[in-house]
Formats: sequence, C-alpha cells, structure tokens
Amino acid sequence: DQQVKQNSPSLSVQEGRISILNCDYTNSMFDYFLWYKKYPAEGPTFLISISSIKDKNEDGRFTVFLNKSAKHLSLHIVPSQPGDSAVYFCAASRSGAQKLVFGQGTRLTINP
Amino acid sequence: KAGVTQTPRYLIKTRGQQVTLSCSPISGHRSVSWYQQTPGQGLQFLFEYFSETQRNKGNFPGRFSGRQFSNSRSEMNVSTLELGDSALYLCASSLSEGEYEQYFGPGTRLTVT
Repeated sequence: DQQVKQNSPSLSVQEGRISILNCDYTNSMFDYFLWYKKYPAEGPTFLISISSIKDKNEDGRFTVFLNKSAKHLSLHIVPSQPGDSAVYFCAASRSGAQKLVFGQGTRLTINP
Repeated sequence: KAGVTQTPRYLIKTRGQQVTLSCSPISGHRSVSWYQQTPGQGLQFLFEYFSETQRNKGNFPGRFSGRQFSNSRSEMNVSTLELGDSALYLCASSLSEGEYEQYFGPGTRLTVT
C-alpha cells in the first residue's frame, strides 16, 4: 500500500522556467511533509518542509503548497537552474512516529 | 559542522554472510534512523534509535537489527544475507526523538552475490 505517491517518474523543464513536482498521500494522519533532493551516489538532502497547519511555505526559489482536502502537495522551483537536476522525493510523517514515508521520486531534468 | 557519516561506502558480500554497517550522526543529534533504498521499493524505513533504545521499527524481517551507542553512533546488522538485500542503506539523524526533519548520510551500497 503506497501511502505517498509521486505519479510522475520524470519531468523535463527548460532553464529559467518553473518546475512543479507533485505528490499525493492517502493517510490523513500525516501532519508533516518534506521534500528531499537526491544526486546519484549521495544521500537525500533536505530541501523544504511544511506542517499540516499551513498551506504554503517558501524558501528562496522553493515553495511547497499543501492542499489537505485533496491530500496533495506540490513543490515549485522558480526559476529552474541546471543544478536543480536531481531526483526529488516527497516524504510524510505523523506525530509520534519518527519514520518518514517516501514517495517513489521524480527525476527532474533542467535543460539549458 | 560535519554531516552524517557512514562506513563503509561500498560493500560486497556473499549470500549467507552477515554484514555490519556504521553511522555517525551530526554532532549533537541524538536520534538515528535507518532506511533501505532499492529500485523496486524506493526508500523504506528500517528502524529508529534514540537514547540507545529502538523506538520504531519498519516492516523488515528479524535478520535486520541495529543498535545505538551512548555517543549516539549507530550500527545496523543484516544476518544470513539474501540477494534481495542488495540496496543502498541510508542513515539519517535528527536532534531528538520526534523531530520531523532528518538529515541523511551518503549511504552504504551493499551488493550481495
């Protein structure tokens, strides 16, 4: 049972444009959501997070939006840069449970 | 401040053997979690340690075990290795139990032949 889903395995975006990565979840007990970025042969790097009491969190070029009624979150990267090319993982957690539940990841490619 | 370190980075073992992987968390971090990453299953939670006690365990067989030392360093052990145990094993640390944000090490790539 995949509780966190990233339905797009890959995404290609032109440099300078907006990249939008999507994530859906099924467990309504999740109350905290995170995005990680992963390069080959490295561990995931924490990017940005959002609590379920908010619907938006912004950090520089990265913004995460949360729609609780739709159980959907998205990561916006504006403007996209070549160094953003990586695999992006959405993760979710709930109070009292330290573990993160990850989506399958989306490979983002930024084209010059 | 140094990040999470994991040793060894690469390991090749034979079916039936056992293996021990090591993780040193970020200085001051007291909680350590372990994850397995495979192409088919993605990133899956193995277990979490805090104050030398296992606090949470994922859905893995008993061949997978771990421990945490008083300095917060952690080890995980896999006994009677199977081909399907070939994966990237990632360690993540956080300040304390219940902290959502976890910081990952580079992982140990285990290949079972």
